[in-house]
Amino acid sequence: EAGVTQFPSHSVIEKGQTVTLRCDPISGHDNLYWYRRVMGKEIKFLLHFVKESKQDESGMPNNRFLAERTGGTYSTLKVQPAELEDSGVYFCASSQLSIRGGLISYEQYFGPGTRLTVT
Amino acid sequence: AQSVTQPDIHITVSEGASLELRCNYSYGATPYLFWYVQSPGQGLQLLLKYFSGDTLVQGIKGFEAEFKRSQSSFNLRKPSVHWSDAAEYFCAVGPPRNYGNKLVFGAGTILRVKS
Repeated sequence: EAGVTQFPSHSVIEKGQTVTLRCDPISGHDNLYWYRRVMGKEIKFLLHFVKESKQDESGMPNNRFLAERTGGTYSTLKVQPAELEDSGVYFCASSQLSIRGGLISYEQYFGPGTRLTVT
Repeated sequence: AQSVTQPDIHITVSEGASLELRCNYSYGATPYLFWYVQSPGQGLQLLLKYFSGDTLVQGIKGFEAEFKRSQSSFNLRKPSVHWSDAAEYFCAVGPPRNYGNKLVFGAGTILRVKS
């Protein structure tokens, strides 16, 4: 079974340019998340999709960030226009809820991340 | 506010020595608990998880963690460290059951293994 994949692995852009990051979740996973780690800080939640719907976008920093999930499959995260403080590693994760013995559980599987550098 | 504290930014241990990485959390209820590892150039890999039941959980690569409700802790342990364990380790908490399920991460602990 293929894991979560992200493209590109690295991106270097200039301030003011646009970048689009892509995430392909594990096949069949309804839940897709974006997280970000700015250098030296914690990994922070950006948003959560359930299928094609945004369940929670409370972590999105501002309206320069736009996330979509077409048809409930892959997702893109666009940054437009990019600022210096957007530099960091962007992680995507996916999960599927399971119920065993009445216990609802989930495990988030992460992709390798996209390292974004804005100069 | 929900938070996770990993008090040690860096830890260095000798190969073959035992390891304990600390994790404390602040959460409204007993959360789901996770440990992830990120090796150089790799993504985050789930080491182990706690949802309920036995408070000592076993994970991959010989790691285990113990949930202590009274101390709001979920420390990661390994009896004998291998050089390949050098990586960054993250403790994370998530909501129990199905409410949202965004994870809150600690700042990470970088493990160095000396030969």
